[in-house]
Amino acid sequence: DTAVSQTPKYLVTQMGNDKSIKCEQNLGHDTMYWYKQDSKKFLKIMFSYNNKELIINETVPNRFSPKSPDKAHLNLHINSLELGDSAVYFCASSQDWDGTQYFGPGTRLLVL
Amino acid sequence: GQQVMQIPQYQHVQEGEDFTTYCNSSTTLSNIQWYKQRPGGHPVFLIQLVKSGEVKKQKRLTFQFGEAKKNSSLHITATQTTDVGTYFCAGRTGTASKLTFGTGTRLQVTL
Repeated sequence: DTAVSQTPKYLVTQMGNDKSIKCEQNLGHDTMYWYKQDSKKFLKIMFSYNNKELIINETVPNRFSPKSPDKAHLNLHINSLELGDSAVYFCASSQDWDGTQYFGPGTRLLVL
Repeated sequence: GQQVMQIPQYQHVQEGEDFTTYCNSSTTLSNIQWYKQRPGGHPVFLIQLVKSGEVKKQKRLTFQFGEAKKNSSLHITATQTTDVGTYFCAGRTGTASKLTFGTGTRLQVTL
């Protein structure tokens, strides 16, 4: 009965490859997010969707493309992976705009 | 853009000592949340503060929101090894804006 789940948990890949990370929440929340946490633990928002609509799109390279097929899912596709993309990517959800955010377990991405 | 800084970056205490982390925003906040991330884990919500000067307590944890709504603090009394982790504040500037996370304070507690 995991609230926010992400797959895969670990992802090791070569530079230049394309990869996707999936996120699902079973909380019935309307808003979902993608965050990137770098090696210094800084947590930065990348995207946010509300009812499948993109509402926050931070300054992120356009190699990153989020997709929300429905309210319960928010996937992240990354093209042409670079070394600097290595980080932990967290998905999160909240009931509404200013509510508590529930984080997934994270996807640890390592680009070689 | 909005910046949220936390000090200290890192603190190492002996079990039983007190600990405080301070959060400072470059802009006035509408509300502030606090999260805890255990090593290898994900951020977990602790509390939200909304009113100027608000103080909330959760057992040994005391949270405070500054009068000007630009700073906040988290104080832990008599730390335990279970308090180990990184504590993040996260502030919002409007009713429907993004949550900006602070730089985090990593707490290490030893026996």
